[in-house]
Amino acid sequence: DTGVSQNPRHKITKRGQNVTFRCDPISEHNRLYWYRQTLGQGPEFLTYFQNEAQLEKSRLLSDRFSAERPKGSFSTLEIQRTEQGDSAMYLCASSLAAGGPSEQFFGPGTRLTVL
Amino acid sequence: AQSVTQLDSHVSVSEGTPVLLRCNYSSSYSPSLFWYVQHPNKGLQLLLKYTSAATLVKGINGFEAEFKKSETSFHLTKPSAHMSDAAEYFCVVSLNEKLTFGTGTRLTIIP
Repeated sequence: DTGVSQNPRHKITKRGQNVTFRCDPISEHNRLYWYRQTLGQGPEFLTYFQNEAQLEKSRLLSDRFSAERPKGSFSTLEIQRTEQGDSAMYLCASSLAAGGPSEQFFGPGTRLTVL
Repeated sequence: AQSVTQLDSHVSVSEGTPVLLRCNYSSSYSPSLFWYVQHPNKGLQLLLKYTSAATLVKGINGFEAEFKKSETSFHLTKPSAHMSDAAEYFCVVSLNEKLTFGTGTRLTIIP
């Protein structure tokens, strides 16, 4: 297993368009997380799944954002009607729930630029 | 509420000299604390974690951190800096699986 993968690595879109990102976690991991990182800042939590259930969503996740993990494996993050403020690096992480704080393994991210 | 404050946005050290990256935390609960490193164009990598066991935590690549409850600090140290240590470092606190990151410290190594 080569770790968490994310596609695409870069996405340039025009304001108002919809975009979708994909995350493939480490295969045996049951938890999957999405974070957003803007320039000069640390990543901010967006949402997380345990298997296919979405357990928590941040207030940062507006109605234009939706995330799914339909079969408890890969996940998609969709942003509708993109705005310039959505420009950021979108990071995915996965972990194996083990009764305590589990190490989250991060992917390389998808860099979104909204023109 | 939980948060971390990284006291320095940039740190520069000469190769072979000690590294100190400072982090203070705020948490209503007994915290789980982490340090992650982010090299350019690479994913975040866990350096070390504290989960209420030993207060001195050893991590990868010679890094270690000491949890001091009285000072609410979790500073990251390394005895001797290497050129490959140049990166962005994040202090992180965890609660209910949600990681809260500091704003990061950029470490520059002077040859």
